[in-house]
Amino acid sequence: RKEVEQDPGPFNVPEGATVAFNCTYSNSASQSFFWYRQDCRKEPKLLMSVYSSGNEDGRFTAQLNRASQYISLLIRDSKLSDSATYLCVVNMRNQGGKLIFGQGTELSVKP
Amino acid sequence: GAGVSQSPSNKVTEKGKDVELRCDPISGHTALYWYRQSLGQGLEFLIYFQGNSAPDKSGLPSDRFSAERTGGSVSTLTIQRTQQEDSAVYLCASSFLTGAMYFGPGTRLLVL
Repeated sequence: RKEVEQDPGPFNVPEGATVAFNCTYSNSASQSFFWYRQDCRKEPKLLMSVYSSGNEDGRFTAQLNRASQYISLLIRDSKLSDSATYLCVVNMRNQGGKLIFGQGTELSVKP
Repeated sequence: GAGVSQSPSNKVTEKGKDVELRCDPISGHTALYWYRQSLGQGLEFLIYFQGNSAPDKSGLPSDRFSAERTGGSVSTLTIQRTQQEDSAVYLCASSFLTGAMYFGPGTRLLVL
């Protein structure tokens, strides 16, 4: 089992759709969780951290389910500019706190 | 504020030459990561530093690759006897302990 796994992509959705990404992790002691966004030919950029109680930033909502060991990202009212690859990141306490990336899920929002 | 910087931004070299890539992390960040990414591919983990030590070097593809970090700050990634398959974007990222990591703009390496 991979340490961090994401939904396979790509996701092709129309503008205005709601889309959800899931990410599972193997280390139950993990404490830090993040979502990143990567545009083509650019470096990954932090989208949002994921807190235990869940958190929202505009159209984006992140959730953490410790019991099932997964995190999710919900994008509401998707825009063309949301087209990118979305990556989840989890810290690995059994590896000195090293942050591990999932393989990423590509999102394409069409007009 | 100052983010992660990398130099050079682009490097073209001939097969068999050595190259050195530099990363300046965000001041005070304890952890530093090197990744590489080929066109259209995902991030490939290379090495991870906490302070000056590298608890995980498992991603270095061969013994031609080495990295060091000095003073808990600047890191250099050295590729000896470069090969064409080394062509990629090399990305550096830093974080404070297990907080969010921030990436530099990358070094685009082309081996002819």
